[in-house]
Amino acid sequence: RKEVEQDPGPFNVPEGATVAFNCTYSNSASQSFFWYRQDCRKEPKLLMSVYSSGNEDGRFTAQLNRASQYISLLIRDSKLSDSATYLCVVTPRALNAGGTSYGKLTFGQGTILTVHP
Amino acid sequence: DAGITQSPRHKVTETGTPVTLRCHQTENHRYMYWYRQDPGHGLRLIHYSYGVKDTDKGEVSDGYSVSRSKTEDFLLTLESATSSQTSVYFCATRVAGLATGNEQFFGPGTRLTVL
Repeated sequence: RKEVEQDPGPFNVPEGATVAFNCTYSNSASQSFFWYRQDCRKEPKLLMSVYSSGNEDGRFTAQLNRASQYISLLIRDSKLSDSATYLCVVTPRALNAGGTSYGKLTFGQGTILTVHP
Repeated sequence: DAGITQSPRHKVTETGTPVTLRCHQTENHRYMYWYRQDPGHGLRLIHYSYGVKDTDKGEVSDGYSVSRSKTEDFLLTLESATSSQTSVYFCATRVAGLATGNEQFFGPGTRLTVL
């Protein structure tokens, strides 16, 4: 089983639609959670961190359910510019006695979103 | 955006040749990482560095070595390139501090083809 699993999609939605992506992770001791965005043939960039209480940034809402080991991203009022691959990212539990994982990230395969006119 | 450059940006090489990819950052970030990205696998960590001369293996380190003699440079070497190492390679950096919750900044990537 992969450490981080996402539905690869693709999701094809019209402008203005609401779309949700889900992600599950296998390591219950995972510490931090993020959504990154990657445009075609570009580098990944941080979209938002995901907090236990849920957090919102404009049209984007992220949720974390530790009990179910589940992360979600909701995009409202989709724009053409939202077309990209969305990567679910998890920081594993600390791997040494010092309590640090050196910030290593584990990435899901990504979910492809295409927003059309 | 963090000042991260990678060189070369594209490279075609033959099986069995050594290849070195360079990552250069101007942000004085302590942590640096090398990933490869392949269809069906996403981004996978090859090696990382937590300081000058301090490096460790990631999940797919076989066939790769790294060196970090200066804060700003992190080199990835394919000791004897194989076709399975055809991939897009990304370098990333992170500011020192809390082990969790810090953003990683990625370079533009290097597309490597091994024939």
